[in-house]
Amino acid sequence: DAKTTQPTSMDCAEGRAANLPCNHSTISGNEYVYWYRQIHSQGPQYIIHGLKNNETNEMASLIITEDRKSSTLILPHATLRDTAVYYCIVGGGNQFYFGTGTSLTVIP
Amino acid sequence: EAGVVQSPRYKIIEKKQPVAFWCNPISGHNTLYWYLQNLGQGPELLIRYENEEAVDDSQLPKDRFSAERLKGVDSTLKIQPAELGDSAVYLCASSLRSGRVGYNEQFFGPGTRLTVL
Repeated sequence: DAKTTQPTSMDCAEGRAANLPCNHSTISGNEYVYWYRQIHSQGPQYIIHGLKNNETNEMASLIITEDRKSSTLILPHATLRDTAVYYCIVGGGNQFYFGTGTSLTVIP
Repeated sequence: EAGVVQSPRYKIIEKKQPVAFWCNPISGHNTLYWYLQNLGQGPELLIRYENEEAVDDSQLPKDRFSAERLKGVDSTLKIQPAELGDSAVYLCASSLRSGRVGYNEQFFGPGTRLTVL
């Protein structure tokens, strides 16, 4: 049973912002939203997480809607190295359900 | 700081043969995970350890899969006998046992790609 819904694939021009959406309408009050990405032939890599408030770190920004039913990961200036599969995960503690993610291709 | 180490990186075996994968987590990480990742799919949890105790093995096919983490540090995942459908990437991850409820960053190794012929 999928906890999140993401588009299968997206393209983004190099240097532009990449906005990756995620729906998580069944999220419960104590569950966090996590984003990981997986570059080809590597293990998943943590990007960012949030509970209610918007978050920003050196890699990305996370925008969570007020009702918490959806979120958007923003890569402000996409580079070719950002080409990867991006997973939106909703979970509490150690329960992670990865889903199939969004395959982002950054185009030169 | 060294990351999660897995070996081997690649393994090719014939069906019905046994196979084992090894994982060394990040130093100090109490929690260790084994995931299975099929082509085009996200990782799926097989088993989670807190120190040496398997606290979630509900998705581990126990008829042919086994795992151990004897000293609460490194871990081994075994398949015996392997089947064609076991061809996949086996990922190991580790995390601190966080005191903050709901927060948990997992660090992943590069995985072992298994091909069963």
